[in-house]
Amino acid sequence: DSGVTQTPKHLITATGQRVTLRCSPRSGDLSVYWYQQSLDQGLQFLIQYYNGEERAKGNILERFSAQQFPDLHSELNLSSLELGDSALYFCASSVERNTEAFFGQGTRLTVV
Amino acid sequence: GENVEQHPSTLSVQEGDSAVIKCTYSDSASNYFPWYKQELGKRPQLIIDIRSNVGEKKDQRIAVTLNKTAKHFSLHITETQPEDSAVYFCAATRRGTSYGKLTFGQGTILTVHP
Repeated sequence: DSGVTQTPKHLITATGQRVTLRCSPRSGDLSVYWYQQSLDQGLQFLIQYYNGEERAKGNILERFSAQQFPDLHSELNLSSLELGDSALYFCASSVERNTEAFFGQGTRLTVV
Repeated sequence: GENVEQHPSTLSVQEGDSAVIKCTYSDSASNYFPWYKQELGKRPQLIIDIRSNVGEKKDQRIAVTLNKTAKHFSLHITETQPEDSAVYFCAATRRGTSYGKLTFGQGTILTVHP
C-alpha cells in the first residue's frame, strides 16, 4: 500500500457524461500528479498541483480539469466523455520536488 | 519536450537468467531517471532510480546504469525469478521540475519462465 488513495476503483459511464475522480495523497505530501494510462498512449502526465496551486501541465485535454483542495486531496474532472477517454487514471504524490512519487491504485474508467 | 524510447517491448527469459532493458532520452537537461514495475491491473511501483551525478546504482538483484553522454540508461535484473514478471517502465524528468512529473517509456513486458 503506497498510502495514496483513489476512488472509485472502477467507473463505467456513457459518452457525453461527466465524472470526477478523487485522490487523497500520502500524509504530508504536498504535490499531487495525475496520469492517464491507455494501451496506445502509455503512461502520460496530465497535471501537477502543489499545495493547492497548479504547478505543471502536460497532455491534458481542455475537457479535463483538476484542482487540489485545502486538505490536499485532489479531484480530476472529465467532461464530454468520449470512447477514447477509457483508460486507467493514476494519481501520485510526493512530499517535495526532489523526492520520489508514489502512485495510487488507479481508477479504471470505461466509457460506453 | 522530453522523449523516452524503451527497448525491447517484450522480453522473455528463463528463471535464473539476466534481463536487460534499455532506454534513451532526448533532453540533455534531464537529471532523474526512475524505473517502475507494474503488475497486471496494479499501480506502478518504484524499484530503483538514479540521478545524473551517478553512473551506476545497485539494489540487490537490480542495477541501473546511466550514460549521460549517450543519453541512455539501462535496467539490469540478475538471477530472475517468476515474480519478476511484470511490465517495466523507465522514465525521465528534467532538471528544475518535480520528480513526479515524468516522461515514461512505452514499457517492457518481462516474462520469466520457471
